Amino acid sequence: AQRVTQPEKLLSVFKGAPVELKCNYSYSGSPELFWYVQYSRQRLQLLLRHISRESIKGFTADLNKGETSFHLKKPFAQEEDSAMYYCAPGYSTLTFGKGTMLLVSP
Amino acid sequence: EAGVVQSPRYKIIEKKQPVAFWCNPISGHNTLYWYLQNLGQGPELLIRYENEEAVDDSQLPKDRFSAERLKGVDSTLKIQPAELGDSAVYLCASSFQTDTEAFFGQGTRLTVV
Repeated sequence: AQRVTQPEKLLSVFKGAPVELKCNYSYSGSPELFWYVQYSRQRLQLLLRHISRESIKGFTADLNKGETSFHLKKPFAQEEDSAMYYCAPGYSTLTFGKGTMLLVSP
Repeated sequence: EAGVVQSPRYKIIEKKQPVAFWCNPISGHNTLYWYLQNLGQGPELLIRYENEEAVDDSQLPKDRFSAERLKGVDSTLKIQPAELGDSAVYLCASSFQTDTEAFFGQGTRLTVV
């Protein structure tokens, strides 16, 4: 069965601290991997996708095929990074994790 | 560009009543998704359309839920009759094609009392 696990419901850090939001998935084959973000009072939007291998807003995501993980990282968190983050693997349809709330305090 | 437009934004109904949600995707987007998001959960797919064809409706509770996308553009999701457990946010998303970025609407928050 397809499964996505984001073990932390809430991650609270201070501004300037490193951040790692964990994502583990159980999926047949090699799915596409995405991170979506939802800022307060805004709609869900794409943050980054693995295939692009881009750094968006300072975030990167590393795929570890052996561990089937796709953790999201940022070396220095900013207050404006506070949001809900969803990991989403899939093919034609994405399976979303339950999400991790990132709270960056000044 | 308005993005994906959903209406209404909020809806409160009594149980056993019908309710309908409307979605207008981004112009030119062939793929349209309806997702259900319960409190504290991630979005869960209800149905995916490729143009006017429902290609994945395996998670749609067909005894009470129905959806249509007659002209391959905007779409309607209906619940009849609504139950208390249907209270959730209903999200619509669209993409140019299946494996490209999905753009989400603001969602409709349904409360069944």
